[in-house]
Amino acid sequence: NAGVTQTPKFQVLKTGQSMTLQCAQDMNHEYMSWYRQDPGMGLRLIHYSVGAGITDQGEVPNGYNVSRSTTEDFPLRLLSAAPSQTSVYFCASSYSASSSYEQYFGPGTRLTVT
Amino acid sequence: DAKTTQPPSMDCAEGRAANLPCNHSTISGNEYVYWYRQIHSQGPQYIIHGLKNNETNEMASLIITEDRKSSTLILPHATLRDTAVYYCIVRVSGNTGKLIFGQGTTLQVKP
Repeated sequence: NAGVTQTPKFQVLKTGQSMTLQCAQDMNHEYMSWYRQDPGMGLRLIHYSVGAGITDQGEVPNGYNVSRSTTEDFPLRLLSAAPSQTSVYFCASSYSASSSYEQYFGPGTRLTVT
Repeated sequence: DAKTTQPPSMDCAEGRAANLPCNHSTISGNEYVYWYRQIHSQGPQYIIHGLKNNETNEMASLIITEDRKSSTLILPHATLRDTAVYYCIVRVSGNTGKLIFGQGTTLQVKP
């Protein structure tokens, strides 16, 4: 298994540009989520999905959209990039949303917005 | 959501046991205690979790007090590769799957 994969690894955007961060998992996990991590801070939840076709907002959803058309993929879209969205983005997945299962994290996408 | 309190940093000698404490005095009866770690610039890595009983796996042991208000993660023989930020997380009950990451403990393993 490749686990959780994220592309790209690095990205530089200009203010106002849009882009999609890709996340995929090959473990047939129902639950997937996106976090952002700002320097010196813990991770904060952006959006999550408990299964294909079902998404919901996390702690810091503004400026981001998600969709879950397949079990494997959970892309994160930045609609109009702002410097405040400069961060490291991590995607995670687990067998289900239940608290009895561990989450697996991807390697992250490092985004800079100028 | 139950909050956790961890010391900001700890040192440990290579080969010795690393004992990382966590306070979660407001934990609810159905909330699990999770430990993750984040090695520099990488995604967080799951270590272990438990509800009431002590747990052990190939990476670590988790000791939860009887009143569940605190726990200790034990790395039995710390190596330089265990240098990381360790997060103690009380998993939110229900189906959100949300993990609330605090500041964690930066463990420095020294030769």
